[in-house]
Amino acid sequence: GQNIDQPTEMTATEGAIVQINCTYQTSGFNGLFWYQQHAGEAPTFLSYNVLDGLEEKGRFSSFLSRSKGYSYLLLKELQMKDSASYLCAVADYKLSFGAGTTVTVRA
Amino acid sequence: NAGVTQTPKFQVLKTGQSMTLQCAQDMNHEYMSWYRQDPGMGLRLIHYSVGAGITDQGEVPNGYNVSRSTTEDFPLRLLSAAPSQTSVYFCASSNSGDEPQHFGDGTRLSIL
Repeated sequence: GQNIDQPTEMTATEGAIVQINCTYQTSGFNGLFWYQQHAGEAPTFLSYNVLDGLEEKGRFSSFLSRSKGYSYLLLKELQMKDSASYLCAVADYKLSFGAGTTVTVRA
Repeated sequence: NAGVTQTPKFQVLKTGQSMTLQCAQDMNHEYMSWYRQDPGMGLRLIHYSVGAGITDQGEVPNGYNVSRSTTEDFPLRLLSAAPSQTSVYFCASSNSGDEPQHFGDGTRLSIL
C-alpha cells in the first residue's frame, strides 16, 4: 500500500521562504514528484527527484532522502502567485498522491 | 498544440444514469490515467493504461470502466452514476508512469 503524508495548510508572508514536507511509506518507489495546483485548475509539474539530494529550479528546490522516506519542497522569495496547493506524489510505474498542502501567501 | 483534452468540462447527472468522460491526447504518449479529486483527499488513481489495448485498475476503480482502443483516446465510463461519484475528474498522459504527467483541464461532475 501507499501512505503519503504532507501538512494540510501553511501560511507565509510575501518574500519569505516556506518548506513543505512530505513523508512516504510505499510498497515501491521509483521517484518523487511535486506538482502545483492553483484553485480550479489542473496540476502542473514542478520537480522530480530520483536520487538523494537537492534539485534546484529557480525559486523552487526539492530534496529527497530515500532512506528516510522524506522529501521537501522549498519555495523561496514567495510571491502572491505562489498561493496554491502543492502535491507530493510517489512514482512506482504509476502515481500515488498525497492529499496536498495549501499554501497561502500574505502581503 | 492541444495536449490533453477532456470533454465535457461540466456535467450534471441523475443517480443511475450512465455517461462517458472523454480524454484525448496528441503527444503520442503511451501512458494515460484517470484520477478523481475530492476535497481533502488529493488525487486518487481510478484506472490507467500503459498502451493501446492494455488497462489496469488504480486505487478506486469500482463503478468505472475504461478502454484503450487507440493511443490517443482513453474514455472513462460511469455505468450507473451514484452521488458518491460527484467529483472533479482529471485525465493525464505521459511517456511512462514514472515521467511527468500532462493533465487535462478536468471535468466537474455532479450527481444528484
